[in-house]
Amino acid sequence: GENVEQHPSTLSVQEGDSAVIKCTYSDSASNYFPWYKQELGKGPQLIIDIRSNVGEKKDQRIAVTLNKTAKHFSLHITETQPEDSAVYFCAASTGDYKLSFGAGTTVTVRA
Amino acid sequence: DGGITQSPKYLFRKEGQNVTLSCEQNLNHDAMYWYRQDPGQGLRLIYYSQIVNDFQKGDIAEGYSVSREKKESFPLTVTSAQKNPTAFYLCASSRGLARYTDTQYFGPGTRLTVL
Repeated sequence: GENVEQHPSTLSVQEGDSAVIKCTYSDSASNYFPWYKQELGKGPQLIIDIRSNVGEKKDQRIAVTLNKTAKHFSLHITETQPEDSAVYFCAASTGDYKLSFGAGTTVTVRA
Repeated sequence: DGGITQSPKYLFRKEGQNVTLSCEQNLNHDAMYWYRQDPGQGLRLIYYSQIVNDFQKGDIAEGYSVSREKKESFPLTVTSAQKNPTAFYLCASSRGLARYTDTQYFGPGTRLTVL
């Protein structure tokens, strides 16, 4: 099955700096890559997603890049704010309804 | 107010007891999912259902059972056969488009603790 690895497991950044989280996947047939943000005690919320026919997607301060050849994708958060502090999960899917998740990255934005 | 609701938010169970977690959605989604989340780990798929009266095992289905009698409801039963049931359980739903994976929306979760 699909295996998704996510790095780093923890990330601490100064407010206003950028944060980058990287994920690699094993199945070259994967074609859908969502990113979720999870606040303490809550369910994950989708923040951005990308499909394999697109190399980059941006939504305000958040962007995702995809490198199909290398089988990795990354989340970029610019101008970080305290409310960006949360756990972020990447996931990948081959189109069979199932998402395979990374282990998560705990992001802390220092004021 | 559309969305996914899970109840209860916290659940305590004695060893050897079965317990059922509720998941309801009013998004008119065809597909529904159950995930388990353990500290420091990603979400792992327990069961999923693409349509009413049909469901498939995920990666960690042993010790769990589900039913899908109504489109909006997908309850999960944690049986006494589940060896380590203490975890955070998340329900999700999606439109269930046939040709590709679409966005999954998650409920607020139920934290189950076995005493």
